[in-house]
Amino acid sequence: ETGVTQTPRHLVMGMTNKKSLKCEQHLGHNAMYWYKQSAKKPLELMFVYSLEERVENNSVPSRFSPECPNSSHLFLHLHTLQPEDSALYLCASSQEVQIYNEQFFGPGTRLTVL
Amino acid sequence: GQNIDQPTEMTATEGAIVQINCTYQTSGFNGLFWYQQHAGEAPTFLSYNVLDGLEEKGRFSSFLSRSKGYSYLLLKELQMKDSASYLCAGGDSNYQLIWGAGTKLIIKP
Repeated sequence: ETGVTQTPRHLVMGMTNKKSLKCEQHLGHNAMYWYKQSAKKPLELMFVYSLEERVENNSVPSRFSPECPNSSHLFLHLHTLQPEDSALYLCASSQEVQIYNEQFFGPGTRLTVL
Repeated sequence: GQNIDQPTEMTATEGAIVQINCTYQTSGFNGLFWYQQHAGEAPTFLSYNVLDGLEEKGRFSSFLSRSKGYSYLLLKELQMKDSASYLCAGGDSNYQLIWGAGTKLIIKP
């Protein structure tokens, strides 16, 4: 148990569906992250938030829309996804956004797009 | 470009020692991380090196050479529970880590 929870753990959706992934951290951290992990590929950083403000967006398609209502919660809203978006989506948090801070990861949401 | 290279898979025997290498090319350098990820689980932090040399933490040690763009993770007295993927990540800015694809370590009895 890392102090970062994610729901749902598994999600199957069609290309026309709209769904949301939720992440919550109980560590009092100020920074939160969304990553995409595909088989045998490096972790891809999608979004970074510091104190509810987005500080990094790595050219992610607009069909992924993040939301950070407070420093403990992070959402990833999904719509009109493609099959190649099927992957493990990991949420992480750290004390601050500076690089030397250890990141604590949630268990991930396994997403399958049909 | 920025790149992290590490072997895809390694096999070792229980009780032995294994060294997992990582080479990196990043624009600027802000440290080198190692994370462990068991199958189906979240990555967990193992080590962070920002200065050259060896950092020892129990059975695990991590080494960094900034001049060579090289790091390794050394695992001693291997146990079956050490079977996992080991992720190397280099920091190139205050906000972003560049991740390797991970090394899957298989421990055999």
